[in-house]
Formats: sequence, C-alpha cells, structure tokens
Amino acid sequence: AQSVTQPDIHITVSEGASLELRCNYSYGATPYLFWYVQSPGQGLQLLLKYFSGDTLVQGIKGFEAEFKRSQSSFNLRKPSVHWSDAAEYFCAVGWDNTDKLIFGTGTRLQVFP
Amino acid sequence: DTGVSQNPRHKITKRGQNVTFRCDPISEHNRLYWYRQTLGQGPEFLTYFQNEAQLEKSRLLSDRFSAERPKGSFSTLEIQRTEQGDSAMYLCASSPYSLNYGYTFGSGTRLTVV
Repeated sequence: AQSVTQPDIHITVSEGASLELRCNYSYGATPYLFWYVQSPGQGLQLLLKYFSGDTLVQGIKGFEAEFKRSQSSFNLRKPSVHWSDAAEYFCAVGWDNTDKLIFGTGTRLQVFP
Repeated sequence: DTGVSQNPRHKITKRGQNVTFRCDPISEHNRLYWYRQTLGQGPEFLTYFQNEAQLEKSRLLSDRFSAERPKGSFSTLEIQRTEQGDSAMYLCASSPYSLNYGYTFGSGTRLTVV
C-alpha cells in the first residue's frame, strides 16, 4: 500500500539553527513529491516539489529538499531557521497510477528565540 | 486569480443537522479535491473531480457525505445527519490536469458538531 511517513511529530530548534525534516514513502514507482506548510487555522501552502531532474530542489522561504531514491526519502532542509518558520510541515506524495496526493501526519516545528 | 475560496470559514452545527460547504477553485484548474483534516493529523483524501465528473471517492466518505461539481466550476460538499466525529477541517484544493503541478489549497472550513 502507498504510504507516507514523517517520523518526527514535533521538532524544536533555536532561531538561526539548521533544520531537517524527514519524509519517507512506500511504493517503488517514481513519485511526485511535495512539501507543504500550514500555519494554525489556515490551509496548506506549497513550499517545493519534485517529479524529475535534479534531485536537489529549491523552494520558497529559503527551503530546499533532496530526493534520495535509494532511501525512498525526500527530506526538507533550511540552513538557518527564522521564528516565522514555526508551523506544521507536511510531506505529500503522488504516483502515476493515482490522481491524488497522500499526506504524512505532519511535523510541528517550534522555534525558540 | 484569487486562489481557492472556501465558504464558510467556520460552521457550528447541532448533531443530526445537515451542513453544506462550498469551494470555488482556481478558474483554469479542471481538478478539484476534498480532504478532511483532524487535529494532529495530515489531510485525508475524501473525493475528487475532473471537470464535473466525480472520479474517486474514499471509503472514508460514508453515505452521509455527498459532493457535487455540477458545471465543472465550484463544488459543494454536504454532510447529512452530522455526528460529533465529523468535526474537522474540510479542505478543498484544485490543480491543473497534471499531478506534477501539485495542489493549491483553500483556507478550509472548520466544522464543529455539538
């Protein structure tokens, strides 16, 4: 079955520190990969996406993510976190045989000054 | 382009009542999706439309739930005989024909059943 795992439910970092949020997916076919961010009470905003080409992709707000086929992973990174990055982050995956995205359970990021 | 619009933003209803939510997608997007999100969880797929055709429904979507997209533009999601377990954020998203564009989400409708 197709599934998406975000192993970290909650991460706390200090402002200015680096960040990595993990995402793993099941199923062998080449996936379409996305990271979304959600502020409290709001919808989801697309940060970045990958479906082919260079496996390191750049997104908005200084985020990047790297697709590693051998590890079935698509981890999100930021070199220096800002207090405004505090939010919930969702990894989402789609495949060619389905027209919908499957979302992970999310990682809540807390940023300390 | 005003993005994806959802109305109402919040709805409080008594158990057993019917509720209807509306979603207006981005005009040039032919795909429209409904997801449900409960506290501490990621969005769960409910159903989606390509133009006016409803192409897939999740097993989460009981017979009390119905969705329509009559002219391939806006969509409505109706919940009949609401239950407390229906309390959630209902998210609508739209996309162009290809999944590699990703979704654009609305701000959601938060339903509270009391």
